[in-house]
Amino acid sequence: DTGVSQNPRHKITKRGQNVTFRCDPISEHNRLYWYRQTLGQGPEFLTYFQNEAQLEKSRLLSDRFSAERPKGSFSTLEIQRTEQGDSAMYLCASSPGGLLFNEQFFGPGTRLTVL
Amino acid sequence: QKEVEQNSGPLSVPEGAIASLNCTYSDRGSQSFFWYRQYSGKSPELIMFIYSNGDKEDGRFTAQLNKASQYVSLLIRDSQPSDSATYLCAVNMNDYKLSFGAGTTVTVRA
Repeated sequence: DTGVSQNPRHKITKRGQNVTFRCDPISEHNRLYWYRQTLGQGPEFLTYFQNEAQLEKSRLLSDRFSAERPKGSFSTLEIQRTEQGDSAMYLCASSPGGLLFNEQFFGPGTRLTVL
Repeated sequence: QKEVEQNSGPLSVPEGAIASLNCTYSDRGSQSFFWYRQYSGKSPELIMFIYSNGDKEDGRFTAQLNKASQYVSLLIRDSQPSDSATYLCAVNMNDYKLSFGAGTTVTVRA
């Protein structure tokens, strides 16, 4: 399968615990994005990497959230001290870059439930 | 004002009919525009993108763009039950970020 992959697909945790999600982009894509989607809403941008550099973070990304992309390959998104409001689908997308089109392809997502 | 707005829906159409979905955006400098299909419980799937004014056709789907009116639409011809999903309009407002509308849910009645 050459698409974007994400693990785990589902995560249930208790409030206050830390969680980490992983995203493996399409191999030739140098751009990687994280979005969050809640029920009835479209995805909301969280952060973006070009290769290993994190170039933009949304104000939605509080200091409890951190993302990395070591060596410009896979990426991790960590949420510390989870809160019930963090319950959402966390989506990773990748794109080959380019100034005009920027087609982004999404992985299957990680659904987080914070109890 | 939201960056991207879509018909609130839901939209119910009979099988074989045309489903028409609309989207408006606030940033006049936006460069490219995308339609994603999202089945319940699944992630968004890219079905079309457009960046020039006019129409772009791909199979049963036609995207229409009018930058002067800041308006994008998607037509689904010969709608099938398998087209029942939520359709998300996304706008590339700079080099990286996509801004999404809340989506329009389409139900195709057999």
